[in-house]
Amino acid sequence: QKEVEQNSGPLSVPEGAIASLNCTYSDRGSQSFFWYRQYSGKSPELIMSIYSNGDKEDGRFTAQLNKASQYVSLLIRDSQPSDSATYLCAVFPNAGNNRKLIWGLGTSLAVNP
Amino acid sequence: DAMVIQNPRYQVTQFGKPVTLSCSQTLNHNVMYWYQQKSSQAPKLLFHYYDKDFNNEADTPDNFQSRRPNTSFCFLDIRSPGLGDAAMYLCATSKDRLQETQYFGPGTRLLVL
Repeated sequence: QKEVEQNSGPLSVPEGAIASLNCTYSDRGSQSFFWYRQYSGKSPELIMSIYSNGDKEDGRFTAQLNKASQYVSLLIRDSQPSDSATYLCAVFPNAGNNRKLIWGLGTSLAVNP
Repeated sequence: DAMVIQNPRYQVTQFGKPVTLSCSQTLNHNVMYWYQQKSSQAPKLLFHYYDKDFNNEADTPDNFQSRRPNTSFCFLDIRSPGLGDAAMYLCATSKDRLQETQYFGPGTRLLVL
C-alpha cells in the first residue's frame, strides 16, 4: 500500500516566521512530488513541483526533496496570514499498475498576525 | 488566461435525482480527472481520461459515470445521488502524462437533500 504521510497539525507560526511542512512517502522509486495549497472550501492550488534531490525555490517557497530518506518538505519564509491554509503533499509512484497521484491528508497551517 | 472551469459551482439535488457536473479546459491538455473530496480528507480519484481512453478506479461506485465528448469538455454524471455523495467534486487536467502537474478547477460543491 503506497502511502504519503503528513502531520495533520495545526501548525501555528507567527507572522514573518518560517513555516516548515514535512511529508514522507513509502514508494522509494517515486519520481514526481507536488505541494498544493487548499483554502477552506476551495480547490487545491499548485505551489510547487519537484523532481530531483535538493532544493527548489520559488519566491517565498522552497521545496526540499531527499529521495534517500523518502521525504519532501516545504518551507514558507516570511509567513503571512494569507498563507493560512491546508497544504497537501502528493506523490506519483514509480511502480505498479494503474499508477496515480497518492495524496497526504494535509497539514493545516495557521499564521498568526 | 488558460484555465479549468467547472459548472455549476454549487449544486443542490434530491436523493436519487440524477445530476451532471461539467468541466471545461482551455489548456489543451490530454488528461482530465475527476476527484471527490470530503471534509478533512484527501482528494479521491474517481476516474480519468487519457485523450478518449477512459480509466475507472476500481473502487468508484457504478453510480458515477463520465463522458468526454471532446478534448475540452468532461462531464461527471451521478445517476442516483445518495446522502453519502455530498462532497466537493474536483476536475483537474494534466498535459500529457499522469505524472505531470495537475491543475484543478474551482470545484463543484454538491449537496444532497
